[in-house]
Amino acid sequence: DTEVTQTPKHLVMGMTNKKSLKCEQHMGHRAMYWYKQKAKKPPELMFVYSYEKLSINESVPSRFSPECPNSSLLNLHLHALQPEDSALYLCASSQGAVSSYEQYFGPGTRLTVT
Amino acid sequence: AQSVTQLDSQVPVFEEAPVELRCNYSSSVSVYLFWYVQYPNQGLQLLLKYLSGSTLVKGINGFEAEFNKSQTSFHLRKPSVHISDTAEYFCAVSDRENRDDKIIFGKGTRLHILP
Repeated sequence: DTEVTQTPKHLVMGMTNKKSLKCEQHMGHRAMYWYKQKAKKPPELMFVYSYEKLSINESVPSRFSPECPNSSLLNLHLHALQPEDSALYLCASSQGAVSSYEQYFGPGTRLTVT
Repeated sequence: AQSVTQLDSQVPVFEEAPVELRCNYSSSVSVYLFWYVQYPNQGLQLLLKYLSGSTLVKGINGFEAEFNKSQTSFHLRKPSVHISDTAEYFCAVSDRENRDDKIIFGKGTRLHILP
């Protein structure tokens, strides 16, 4: 199984809402990533978890809060977002947080903030 | 800091014709290099990667790339494209010396297959 799953596929939320994005993998990978991708742009790294510990936070605003409950799951909690946060949010995983390892991406959650 | 330049934002090519997507990286250190593909409404998928060894790297779906250290390039090629190759292609680089470093993506090249 080389699949990374993400739920929901689409999410529309108001600026005062609280919502969560979920990501799951069962490949035994020990590193998991959140990326943000705007239309016609490359993915931008947000967070990296390595062995369930946050290892990289790319100066992401605190309205985005990641959580790694166990080695297979990764959540992204959203609160008080802005319209400019509308984007495709991609989750990825790899064997470890070493740059030579291939990252496996999920299909993404398309988020619209109204 | 690492950077990646994909010279073409869009490449139109006729079906069954060859294609080359260009990628140059800017680094004074050794690097790992990757090509990822993103089909419409999907996540990214690895096409191929160069870690070490032979400079000609073969990937999935008939793609290959050649690492050229003197020209700091890693161009992607396919001898005959199909309509199913329509997608966004991202070249990416990471620092071999700093193995925990993140991967830096280029801006992407949209491959548009003409019938």
